[in-house]
Amino acid sequence: DGGITQSPKYLFRKEGQNVTLSCEQNLNHDAMYWYRQDPGQGLRLIYYSQIVNDFQKGDIAEGYSVSREKKESFPLTVTSAQKNPTAFYLCASSLQTPQGGTEAFFGQGTRLTVV
Amino acid sequence: AQSVSQHNHHVILSEAASLELGCNYSYGGTVNLFWYVQYPGQHLQLLLKYFSGDPLVKGIKGFEAEFIKSKFSFNLRKPSVQWSDTAEYFCAVRDNAGNMLTFGGGTRLMVKP
Repeated sequence: DGGITQSPKYLFRKEGQNVTLSCEQNLNHDAMYWYRQDPGQGLRLIYYSQIVNDFQKGDIAEGYSVSREKKESFPLTVTSAQKNPTAFYLCASSLQTPQGGTEAFFGQGTRLTVV
Repeated sequence: AQSVSQHNHHVILSEAASLELGCNYSYGGTVNLFWYVQYPGQHLQLLLKYFSGDPLVKGIKGFEAEFIKSKFSFNLRKPSVQWSDTAEYFCAVRDNAGNMLTFGGGTRLMVKP
């Protein structure tokens, strides 16, 4: 089945450690996104990528890093510089066309807890 | 930078009441507009979308939204809500140029039976 897979679903890490969240899609979508969802704050864009080997910062990129070496993969690293990393992280992808593209399709999310 | 505002953070309605959730965005260029819903414990689902054409778009479960370009608005409506509409609703805007997809802060709707 086509879709977006985020792993793991739950992740626990000690403070000061970097952690990488996985996001894979087999929809052949060009664009991929990472969001952070906190209660009462909606979805805030961390990074997004329109094509392979290219990505742009979103509204809250500080303390995060990404890579886009393959079209189907867009891993997010939460670094020790992120001051409040405990959150629910959502990955999404969409198809880009000259007419604008499709809606974004979302993964099931990863809940990261830093202790 | 583009931004999306949802003015109502919490809405409580009784069943059969009409619903309108506000959404305004700031971006001067061509945009695509979306409403997503997140039911408790579930993934985000697309309710409806606007790319071009008729500014009144109909989505799933009886929802509709109207794009008013002059007001930079894309309000969500439903004539008669049901208890099963209890969820959080998100408006989103994507600029056609850069493909950046920005969400509003969400509106939590509670429908009392």
